[in-house]
Amino acid sequence: GAGVSQSPRYKVAKRGQDVALRCDPISGHVSLFWYQQALGQGPEFLTYFQNEAQLDKSGLPSDRFFAERPEGSVSTLKIQRTQQEDSAVYLCASSSGGREGRVGVPYEQYFGPGTRLTVT
Amino acid sequence: QKEVEQNSGPLSVPEGAIASLNCTYSDRGSQSFFWYRQYSGKSPELIMSIYSNGDKEDGRFTAQLNKASQYVSLLIRDSQPSDSATYLCAVHRTGANSKLTFGKGITLSVRP
Repeated sequence: GAGVSQSPRYKVAKRGQDVALRCDPISGHVSLFWYQQALGQGPEFLTYFQNEAQLDKSGLPSDRFFAERPEGSVSTLKIQRTQQEDSAVYLCASSSGGREGRVGVPYEQYFGPGTRLTVT
Repeated sequence: QKEVEQNSGPLSVPEGAIASLNCTYSDRGSQSFFWYRQYSGKSPELIMSIYSNGDKEDGRFTAQLNKASQYVSLLIRDSQPSDSATYLCAVHRTGANSKLTFGKGITLSVRP
């Protein structure tokens, strides 16, 4: 079956431009996550959706970052007025798990190929 | 102290050897543990998950978990050059949000 897909795979933006990154999760997956990965580092959490509800956005680095998942499937991460420090790989992951607080429920997350954003 | 720590690496082993990758975590509320493999320029690929103390084997991979010591490891037996990649340890805390907290990763190089 199809995995997580992301587009575009590469994006070059001039400083100050707005960008929109798209994620299409595995069909039927309730949970969707956005992570940011800098070179040589592990992914860092940005935000989490359960269906269309954004349950956690504590990792978004500033109010220039905004994410949505209006119909509980495809998600868009938008970055306004991009800065050089926004250059990174943006990873989307999805998981079938959706219920909190259940010990032993596997929260296995499957990643898309990522979008490499370069801000010049 | 970082939430998830992996020994700095890089780690180099000869082909056919056992590679041992270690990870410690600070949050005692952590319940689920994952190892991801990431090839250069690619995204993380889930290779192992472990939820209870002890060993879990899958082919040439064995994950080991010791919650009392807050320690999780990955053993790769009969290492192959195709195993050369960065291995990321990730931890999930049930009851909080569902995010994974990742270590920095350790780069493994398997010498032919």
